[in-house]
Amino acid sequence: SQKIEQNSEALNIQEGKTATLTCNYTNYSPAYLQWYRQDPGRGPVFLLLIRENEKEKRKERLKVTFDTTLKQSLFHITASQPADSATYLCALGRDYGGSQGNLIFGKGTKLSVKP
Amino acid sequence: NAGVTQTPKFQVLKTGQSMTLQCAQDMNHEYMSWYRQDPGMGLRLIHYSVGAGITDQGEVPNGYNVSRSTTEDFPLRLLSAAPSQTSVYFCASSYSIRATNEKLFFGSGTQLSVL
Repeated sequence: SQKIEQNSEALNIQEGKTATLTCNYTNYSPAYLQWYRQDPGRGPVFLLLIRENEKEKRKERLKVTFDTTLKQSLFHITASQPADSATYLCALGRDYGGSQGNLIFGKGTKLSVKP
Repeated sequence: NAGVTQTPKFQVLKTGQSMTLQCAQDMNHEYMSWYRQDPGMGLRLIHYSVGAGITDQGEVPNGYNVSRSTTEDFPLRLLSAAPSQTSVYFCASSYSIRATNEKLFFGSGTQLSVL
C-alpha cells in the first residue's frame, strides 16, 4: 500500500538555524508534491509545490527539494523564527487528469523554534 | 472574499444522531472536498466533487453522504453518528481539476465529538 512518512513527529530548533523536514514515500510515484503549514485550530495553508521533473523550488526563506530516486522531499526553512513554529504537512499527488482526489497527506511534523 | 467557510466550529452529538456540516466557498472553485484529521493519522479524504452534480468517494467514505447542487456549497452529512466519527473535519477547494497540481484552500475546520 502507499505509504508517506514525515521523518519525525516533532522537531525543536534554535532561532536563526535552518530547519529541515523530511517527507519519504514508498510504493508510490507522485507527479508532484505540496507542502502545507497548519497552525493549532486552523486549516492547512499551502506553501510550495514541486513537480517530479524539478529538483528544487524556493520561496523567500523556504526551499523544497524533490528526489524521485531516493523517494524523498526535503523542506528547509532558513533563518528560522519563533513565528515559524507550526505543523508542516507534505502531500503527494498524481496526474490523473487533474483530480485532486489523488492527493495523499503525511501525518505532519510539528516544528518548534525557540528564541 | 471569505474563502472557504465551514460551520459549525464545534459540535457534540450523541450516537445515532444525524447532522450536516456546512461548507461554502466564494472563489468559484470547481473542486471541493472533505477531509477528516485524527491524531497520528494525517488528513484522510472522505468525499470530493469536481463540479455541481458530480461527487465521488475518497479513502474513508463510509457513514458519510455528500451532494453538490451548486458550485459554492458542499455539505457533508453524517447519517447516524458513531464515536469513531469523532474527529476534526476540513473542507477544501481548488480552482480547477483540469489544471493538475492545483493548491488546496482549506476551511478552518469543524471539531466533532460523538458521545
